[in-house]
Amino acid sequence: DAGITQSPRHKVTETGTPVTLRCHQTENHRYMYWYRQDPGHGLRLIHYSYGVKDTDKGEVSDGYSVSRSKTEDFLLTLESATSSQTSVYFCAISDPGLAGESTDTQYFGPGTRLTVL
Amino acid sequence: QKEVEQNSGPLSVPEGAIASLNCTYSDRVSQSFFWYRQYSGKSPELIMSIYSNGDKEDGRFTAQLNKASQYVSLLIRDSQPSDSATYLCAVIAGGTSYGKLTFGQGTILTVHP
Repeated sequence: DAGITQSPRHKVTETGTPVTLRCHQTENHRYMYWYRQDPGHGLRLIHYSYGVKDTDKGEVSDGYSVSRSKTEDFLLTLESATSSQTSVYFCAISDPGLAGESTDTQYFGPGTRLTVL
Repeated sequence: QKEVEQNSGPLSVPEGAIASLNCTYSDRVSQSFFWYRQYSGKSPELIMSIYSNGDKEDGRFTAQLNKASQYVSLLIRDSQPSDSATYLCAVIAGGTSYGKLTFGQGTILTVHP
């Protein structure tokens, strides 16, 4: 499972509240990604990180911010949650150093199911 | 036009048959192609990656890539009920930033005994 954990695994919150999701990895992977998965849209990239304090926007970054202050943690924050952000959120990693794999092969964490009421 | 397109299915095949899953992509300079399997309520799990034209085999799975026609397919031989899942095609387009995958919406496969 590439040593990826996500917390919380489930969360219900109310519109307008801030929410932070955490992705934690134990194997020093360089690249980390946040996706959301919705019926009819599939998996879409929100933000990604290519190193500590190095992040960039993905396809659906509006309303989300990220931070990576250390290699093992990549945080996704919804500053003011909206019902449209109800989704399943997946973290993923890739690493040039993974033996036998291309540098761009991604492995996914278990996901967080977020419901915004 | 969506960047990565898959037939959403559901695709139903009998146990022991060959399941054929197809994916087309719009960016002609795409370089890296992946197939993931996702069981209901679980995270995507990598099955195959393919980078060059032709076939790549791994056990019961064969990925086929045709860059001229811009399609990639996945064949599952001797399909089993445990293969029932959603299969996601993902592409890294040429010229994009490192590792930015674009996914299709997935094909639901059902293998019936």
